[in-house]
Amino acid sequence: AQSVSQHNHHVILSEAASLELGCNYSYGGTVNLFWYVQYPGQHLQLLLKYFSGDPLVKGIKGFEAEFIKSKFSFNLRKPSVQWSDTAEYFCAVNGGGRNNDMRFGAGTRLTVKP
Amino acid sequence: ETGVTQSPTHLIKTRGQQVTLRCSSQSGHNTVSWYQQALGQGPQFIFQYYREEENGRGNFPPRFSGLQFPNYSSELNVNALELDDSALYLCASTGGGGHSYNEQFFGPGTRLTVL
Repeated sequence: AQSVSQHNHHVILSEAASLELGCNYSYGGTVNLFWYVQYPGQHLQLLLKYFSGDPLVKGIKGFEAEFIKSKFSFNLRKPSVQWSDTAEYFCAVNGGGRNNDMRFGAGTRLTVKP
Repeated sequence: ETGVTQSPTHLIKTRGQQVTLRCSSQSGHNTVSWYQQALGQGPQFIFQYYREEENGRGNFPPRFSGLQFPNYSSELNVNALELDDSALYLCASTGGGGHSYNEQFFGPGTRLTVL
């Protein structure tokens, strides 16, 4: 069955600390991978996506993610977090072509202490 | 450019009732997807509409149904409401023919409470 696992439910960091949020998926065939963020009181918005090419993807606000096909992983990273990065982060995956069955992980809540 | 809008913001219903949720897609987008987000969970895909036709469905029973109109706005209908249907219902729109790699733009959601 298709699934997405996010390892951490709640992560607490101090400003300037480095961040890595884990995401593993179980999905046969071609995949497209996404990280979405939901800031407090705001809509879900796209941070970055991977569908082909360079497995190291750079997104907005200094975030990046690396697709490691052999590990079925798409971990999100940021070298130095800011208080404004406090939010809920969701990893999502769907199949290629017109397969629009987007599967989301349960989310990781990030709290950055000033 | 107008973003994705949803109505109503909040809704309270009782078990067995029927509910209709509405979504207006972002300008220029012809594809709308609906998701259910239970408390503490990620969004779960309900179905997608592309040019007024259902274009994929998740693991939801037939009492969850939808429509897309010629202006690409959409409705989600849920019949015979159950307590477990209490959740945030999200609508997302996509351009470019609804291809799976296109970004989905999410609305603010409708919070449904079933008593």
